[in-house]
Amino acid sequence: SQKIEQNSEALNIQEGKTATLTCNYTNYSPAYLQWYRQDPGRGPVFLLLIRENEKEKRKERLKVTFDTTLKQSLFHITASQPADSATYLCALDMRGGSYIPTFGRGTSLIVHP
Amino acid sequence: NAGVTQTPKFQVLKTGQSMTLQCAQDMNHNSMYWYRQDPGMGLRLIYYSASEGTTDKGEVPNGYNVSRLNKREFSLRLESAAPSQTSVYFCASSEWGVGDTIYFGEGSWLTVV
Repeated sequence: SQKIEQNSEALNIQEGKTATLTCNYTNYSPAYLQWYRQDPGRGPVFLLLIRENEKEKRKERLKVTFDTTLKQSLFHITASQPADSATYLCALDMRGGSYIPTFGRGTSLIVHP
Repeated sequence: NAGVTQTPKFQVLKTGQSMTLQCAQDMNHNSMYWYRQDPGMGLRLIYYSASEGTTDKGEVPNGYNVSRLNKREFSLRLESAAPSQTSVYFCASSEWGVGDTIYFGEGSWLTVV
C-alpha cells in the first residue's frame, strides 16, 4: 500500500542551527512534492513545490531536495528562528493517477532561543 | 482578498443531529476540497470537486455529503453526526489541480457528543 512517512517525534533544535525534516514514501511515483507549514489552530500554508525532475529547490532560508531513487525528500531551514516553530507537512501528487495530493502526518519543529 | 472562508469556526453537535459546514473561496479557483484532520492521522480527504458541477469521493467519504453550489462555494453536510466525526475540518481550493498550490481555510472544530 502507499505510505508517506514523516517523523512523528518532534524535532528540537537551537536557534541558528539548520533544521532538517524528512519525508519518505513507498509505492508512489509522485510527479510533485510539496511542503506546507501548519501553525496550531490554523490551516496549512504552502511553502515549496519540487518536481520529480528537480533535485533541489530553494526559497530564502528554505531548501528542499527530492531523491526519487531513495524515495525521499529533505526539507531544510537554515539559520532557524523560534518563529519557525510549527508542524511541517509534506504532500505528494500522484503521476498518472489522481492529481489530488496526499499529505503526510507532519513533523513538529521546535526551535529553542 | 479573504482566500478560503469557512463557517462555523466551532460547533458542538449531539449524536444524530445534522449540520452543514460552509466554504467559500474568492480566488476564482476551479477545484475545491474538504479534509479532516485528527491527531496522529494527518489530513485525510473527504470529498473534492475538480470543477463546478462535479464532486468525487476522497479517502474517507462515509457519513458525509457535499454540494458544489457554484464556482465559489462547496459545502459539507453531516446527515446524522456520530462521535467518530469529531474532528477539525478544513476546506481548501486550488486553481486546477496538478501541482497547484492548495489554499486552506482556517478550519472548523466540530465536536459530536
